[in-house]
Amino acid sequence: GDSVTQTEGLVTLTEGLPVMLNCTYQSTYSPFLFWYVQHLNEAPKLLLKSFTDNKRPEHQGFHATLHKSSSSFHLQKSSAQLSDSALYYCALSENTGANTGKLTFGHGTILRVHP
Amino acid sequence: GPKVLQIPSHQIIDMGQMVTLNCDPVSNHLYFYWYKQILGQQMEFLVNFYNGKVMEKSKLFKDQFSVERPDGSYFTLKIQPTALEDSAVYFCASSPDWGRYEQYFGPGTRLTVL
Repeated sequence: GDSVTQTEGLVTLTEGLPVMLNCTYQSTYSPFLFWYVQHLNEAPKLLLKSFTDNKRPEHQGFHATLHKSSSSFHLQKSSAQLSDSALYYCALSENTGANTGKLTFGHGTILRVHP
Repeated sequence: GPKVLQIPSHQIIDMGQMVTLNCDPVSNHLYFYWYKQILGQQMEFLVNFYNGKVMEKSKLFKDQFSVERPDGSYFTLKIQPTALEDSAVYFCASSPDWGRYEQYFGPGTRLTVL
């Protein structure tokens, strides 16, 4: 079955440094990939999504490139801000005719940005 | 932006009792989902629902679970009877369509079964 791996449980950074959160996946078909962000006591919200190989969506300074060759969708930002501190989920949805929209999530990565 | 509401935010019940978790999805959305997150673990898909029917359910969606959305009101998840392993945060989500469309999540209901 499908799976998503986020290798880091916690990433701690100093404000201003670059961010990279890892996401790799396994799927029988070329899936849709998503990054969701969840701030403390809030609902998870979509940060960005990608469906085409090598297209680079961007939102709030974050970007991610879908690489089918390495089955990766790493999240990056050039300069971390204090407000980026949150829980980040990578997720996939199957790209098949039988898809019903089910999301498969990774374990999540907590990003903590300090001054 | 569009918001999904979940009621209640917390629920504590005794094992064996029935519980209903309520979700108020985004008004023009047609697809509804429940996900379960046990403390310290990843969010896992339970079930999705469209046009009055369950489209897909996971192995976590036990026989004691049921979902419905009567007459466009709340989308509900009912557990009857509850078990200790049902303790978790349950997230509701909705989307205008499936697949590549964004799912909008509620803040979750924390269920504690004693």
